Amino acid sequence: EAQVTQNPRYLITVTGKKLTVTCSQNMNHEYMSWYRQDPGLGLRQIYYSMNVEVTDKGDVPEGYKVSRKEKRNFPLILESPSPNQTSLYFCASSLAGAEDYGYTFGSGTRLTVV
Amino acid sequence: GENVEQHPSTLSVQEGDSAVIKCTYSDSASNYFPWYKQELGKGPQLIIDIRSNVGEKKDQRIAVTLNKTAKHFSLHITETQPEDSAVYFCAASGAAGNKLTFGGGTRVLVKP
Repeated sequence: EAQVTQNPRYLITVTGKKLTVTCSQNMNHEYMSWYRQDPGLGLRQIYYSMNVEVTDKGDVPEGYKVSRKEKRNFPLILESPSPNQTSLYFCASSLAGAEDYGYTFGSGTRLTVV
Repeated sequence: GENVEQHPSTLSVQEGDSAVIKCTYSDSASNYFPWYKQELGKGPQLIIDIRSNVGEKKDQRIAVTLNKTAKHFSLHITETQPEDSAVYFCAASGAAGNKLTFGGGTRVLVKP
């Protein structure tokens, strides 16, 4: 089944403890992106990647890192999480750019930082 | 950058009635406008999209209209059913094609 898989689905952590949220897609998509969803703010882009080893900042990149060493994987790294990063996170992928094909989203990761 | 505003934030309709969600965008270069439906506990799912060279598109009970001059687009759901209850997001993509900018979302509740 074609899908975007995120892990974990739920995560509670403490301020300052490094964490990684994994994202993997099995559709051979070139484009991948991370969004965070907050009430009333919709989805805001954190980082995106047009292809392997090519990443760029979205609208809210502060406090996050990403890497794209393989086409299928695009992990989101929080080096020192803070409470304002408590949010619902979505990974998305697309065959090429978002404009041409739209996104396939993962099921989300709900992160709580205390 | 692009800014997308979506209204209303919540919408309650009686089963069988129509629902309309409206969005405005700021970047006149935007040319792709998808709509996503998010059910509880799931990621958003693409339900319909429209490109700037088209004014209207229909798919069964859902339709989207685009007014490029006024920079707004709308989602219309006819004969609403309980399974239409969800959060709906509009989005716009600019010429760079490297991201979608989303509206704030509309929570739709269809009452039986």
